[in-house]
Amino acid sequence: GEDVEQSLFLSVREGDSSVINCTYTDSSSTYLYWYKQEPGAGLQLLTYIFSNMDMKQDQRLTVLLNKKDKHLSLRIADTQTGDSAIYFCAEFDNTDKLIFGTGTRLQVFP
Amino acid sequence: GAVVSQHPSWVICKSGTSVKIECRSLDFQATTMFWYRQFPKQSLMLMATSNEGSKATYEQGVEKDKFLINHASLTLSTLTVTSAHPEDSSFYICSALGQVREARTDTQYFGPGTRLTVL
Repeated sequence: GEDVEQSLFLSVREGDSSVINCTYTDSSSTYLYWYKQEPGAGLQLLTYIFSNMDMKQDQRLTVLLNKKDKHLSLRIADTQTGDSAIYFCAEFDNTDKLIFGTGTRLQVFP
Repeated sequence: GAVVSQHPSWVICKSGTSVKIECRSLDFQATTMFWYRQFPKQSLMLMATSNEGSKATYEQGVEKDKFLINHASLTLSTLTVTSAHPEDSSFYICSALGQVREARTDTQYFGPGTRLTVL
């Protein structure tokens, strides 16, 4: 079945950029998503990218998509302590179910 | 603001009792809602897909008699955990598929989650 993989942990200093990576297997995905989960809370949709785009920028967030390599990344500029959370990438499979990655825990230290 | 709500946000119950969790789409009609379960430090696991007016479709390994889903209207889906046991303790998250306001595409909007603790 479809597989979405992420690195488990990322630690960055406040003010630096964070880059969270994701690889997926279903090449038919139309949209790919990034979600943020703060402790004890549900998922918050951060941004999404259409599969015919290779980059999307939204304020401090930049999404890069390499469709050939099935690689998605989320860059957070000027990372703040409030960005500490778990970040999930997700794609729809060929039955329109949303498949999530394993999540990357981002820790921001002063 | 929030577009999907869940109620309750936190519930503690005794083993053997049933618990109902509500999921509502606030600004749009959702023909499809999803129920997820999240184990500690793990990603979300899709439990079932709920379509308004029809029976829910359960993922493999999810007991449909244990987790009853009712999608009675375009804005409400409920998940009932029947005869709950401690191993059912988890974080349950619903999502609704639809378009909000100026959105040009269907997106899944997630509820804040319900933490169930079974004693």
